Amino acid sequence: DAEITQSPRHKIIETGRQVTLACHQTWNHNNMFWYRQVLGHGLRLIHYSYGVQDTNKGEVSDGYSVSRSNTEDLPLTLESAASSQTSVYFCASSVSSVDNEQFFGPGTRLTVL
Amino acid sequence: AQTVTQSQPEMSVQEAETVTLSCTYDTSESNYYLFWYKQPPSRQMILVIRQEAYKQQNATENRFSVNFQKAAKSFSLKISDSQLGDTAMYFCALLAGANSKLTFGKGITLSVRP
Repeated sequence: DAEITQSPRHKIIETGRQVTLACHQTWNHNNMFWYRQVLGHGLRLIHYSYGVQDTNKGEVSDGYSVSRSNTEDLPLTLESAASSQTSVYFCASSVSSVDNEQFFGPGTRLTVL
Repeated sequence: AQTVTQSQPEMSVQEAETVTLSCTYDTSESNYYLFWYKQPPSRQMILVIRQEAYKQQNATENRFSVNFQKAAKSFSLKISDSQLGDTAMYFCALLAGANSKLTFGKGITLSVRP
């Protein structure tokens, strides 16, 4: 069955370290998204991509970067992690049409100490 | 810009009773879609129900239904015959315009009491 996976599921890192969170989907969806969940603020969009080699900044993109070299993967990199980036991160994907449902991965809990 | 407001941080309901979760939104787009997502303790985001703005009929999925008031920009979720498995955080979300980006509300924690 097609699915969307994230790895690792849990990660603890030290402040200032670089970390990359993986997102992989097997639906062949063009659209992929990264969100972070902050308690009391719902999910907020970090970056998104509408296809290979396309990336765009969301509302909370500072300190994060993404790259899209193929359809299946959209890795999220924190160049120099800060304690304020401790959060749960969700990846999602959808087909190209504007009205289609986004399918979410299981989430990655990241703790920055 | 799109906004979604969920003003109730938490609610509690007795098992088998009905509960309504409130959501208001704002957008200048004429073409948009509204969603309710459920997030149980497992953290998985699960789509509960969706509503196309151009449809006047309220969406229904088994025990879940919405009251979509387009003029008031209100989109509430009604859960009938509440079950213990309905205990979760519920998010209202808006997808407006041609960019496929979701805007989420802050969420509401629903507890179903046995």
